[in-house]
This record gives sequence, C-alpha cells and structure tokens, in this order.
Amino acid sequence: GAVVSQHPSWVICKSGTSVKIECRSLDFQATTMFWYRQFPKQSLMLMATSNEGSKATYEQGVEKDKFLINHASLTLSTLTVTSAHPEDSSFYICSARDGGHYGYTFGSGTRLTVV
Amino acid sequence: TQLLEQSPQFLSIQEGENLTVYCNSSSVFSSLQWYRQEPGEGPVLLVTVVTGGEVKKLKRLTFQFGDARKDSSLHITAAQPGDTGLYLCAGFLHGSGNTGKLIFGQGTTLQVKP
Repeated sequence: GAVVSQHPSWVICKSGTSVKIECRSLDFQATTMFWYRQFPKQSLMLMATSNEGSKATYEQGVEKDKFLINHASLTLSTLTVTSAHPEDSSFYICSARDGGHYGYTFGSGTRLTVV
Repeated sequence: TQLLEQSPQFLSIQEGENLTVYCNSSSVFSSLQWYRQEPGEGPVLLVTVVTGGEVKKLKRLTFQFGDARKDSSLHITAAQPGDTGLYLCAGFLHGSGNTGKLIFGQGTTLQVKP
C-alpha cells in the first residue's frame, strides 16, 4: 500500500531557531501534499496545501513566512518552522493522496517541542 | 462553523459494550472516510464510503453512509481495550472531485476499559 514517511518523528529546539520537517511518498508520486497541525485529543487542522513545482496554498490564519513549505519533487515536501517559539510546539502531520483510492495516506507525524 | 460535526467527542466505556460515533453535516459529501489514530502516530484509514446508503463492515466495526451522503456513523460491537484511540471522520465535499481538501470532524476520543 501507499506509504508516506515523515522525518523526524520528534524534535526539540530552542526558541528562535528553525526546524525542517520532511514528508516523502515512498512508493508513489504526489503532486499535492497537505500539512496539518494537531493539538492533544483534537482533530487535524489543515495548515497548507503543498503543490509540486509551485507555491503552497495556506489556510486562513496560517503565517506563510513562518511556516515555509517547499515541494521540490514529486515525492518530497518540506515544512520549515522558522524562528520557532514555544507556542509552535505541536504535532505536525503530512499527508498525500495515492491516486489509487479515495483516502489520503498520512505520515506518522512529528512532535515539535520548542524550549 | 464546523462542516462535519462529530459526536460524541469523548467516550469512555467498559470492555464488551457497544458504541456508535456520528458524523453529520448539512453539506453533501462525495465520499467519507473513517480514520483511527493512536497517540504519537498519524491517522490510519479504516474505510471509505462512497455510495449513499452504503454499509461496510470491518470485523466488529460497521460503517454507514447516509442516503443523502450528508452523514455517516461508525458502530463498534463488543468494544475491546485495543479499540482505544482517536477516531476521525473526514470527507470530500461534493464537487471537490476527491482531490481537494479533506474536511475533518472534531474527532472522538474512545477509551475502552478492561
């Protein structure tokens, strides 16, 4: 089945530094990937849609300069949290659609802790 | 406003009990998916329903899509501690072509006590 690999699975960084999270589709090509943020025991909140070869589309209220998205190839999208602050601490999840079925395959998530 | 209203949001039951989780909307969906998520992991797809009135079974889990494709339910029979997790319904709005944004419900945190 379709596999989406997300790395790292957890990261701790200091305030003011930047963190890059990678999302790879391992056995299929994904022209579109999605980035979500999730708080404990809550649902997923879509942050942005990552489009291969073009600019990402951000949801209302998401700062594009803070959450930089790059989708340079058909199998890789990256999310960079710039100048991270403790309030950016969260669980970040990516997903991609395998053209073979109606659902989306999700990565295993990245737990970001900013200290 | 929440496009997909999922209820209940929290459920704690004893092993062996039955339960039903609901997802309701005033909008029509071309398909609805149910996911299960464990702490520290991404959601895992359980089932996709596409046709109005469709019923799908996955062992002790029964999924139903409303006739008008505006609602769905997940019923678990004889719940077990291994069923504990966050259950999410999500769907594509009619007309989005199954390639657009997934709309998520609020999620249901299920705890099954031994």
